[in-house]
Amino acid sequence: AQTVTQSQPEMSVQEAETVTLSCTYDTSENNYYLFWYKQPPSRQMILVIRQEAYKQQNATENRFSVNFQKAAKSFSLKISDSQLGDTAMYFCAFMKQSGGTSYGKLTFGQGTILTVHP
Amino acid sequence: KAGVTQTPRYLIKTRGQQVTLSCSPISGHRSVSWYQQTPGQGLQFLFEYFSETQRNKGNFPGRFSGRQFSNSRSEMNVSTLELGDSALYLCATSPGGRAVEQYFGPGTRLTVT
Repeated sequence: AQTVTQSQPEMSVQEAETVTLSCTYDTSENNYYLFWYKQPPSRQMILVIRQEAYKQQNATENRFSVNFQKAAKSFSLKISDSQLGDTAMYFCAFMKQSGGTSYGKLTFGQGTILTVHP
Repeated sequence: KAGVTQTPRYLIKTRGQQVTLSCSPISGHRSVSWYQQTPGQGLQFLFEYFSETQRNKGNFPGRFSGRQFSNSRSEMNVSTLELGDSALYLCATSPGGRAVEQYFGPGTRLTVT
């Protein structure tokens, strides 16, 4: 079974600064996907960024980028130029790439509450 | 395109009752996954449906069941409600057969008293 661990229950950052959220995972799979989802106070889950394990290049989406270290099973999220709207719970998630028991199943970490201060 | 819709948004039920929650996917999305979110257990996968077939199931008791209709709309049912079933129930839909990139609905907040 896969496990995802987010060791930072809460973090805070000043507006316009950079913050990094940590995530580690445990799996025996070689092919998989990793995700960061954002859940603001409205509770609507929003996909922030996605990484395929076979890709060595780290994914980037505007102000959001990841540091994917496959050997270390680490997947951190960097948010640059933090904005007030980034305040939310952030979840790291894992999905196996193979079929069968992987279909549609995201395994989530416990989440990190990020607060951006003006 | 309209987003994923879930109805009802809020629900209060009594122990022992049953409840049905509905999820309407984004147009063209054929996969629907369901998750339970609680403060204690976090986000847990319930099951996934594709083309009216359950392809994957999480570790939940048989009181939790679901189905998918030919228009890809999905329902989940919880029978004999327990206090511990109080949670936010989220559905997520995906356009692809592998159901990798998931788009979440706003959730149904279920309170069991």
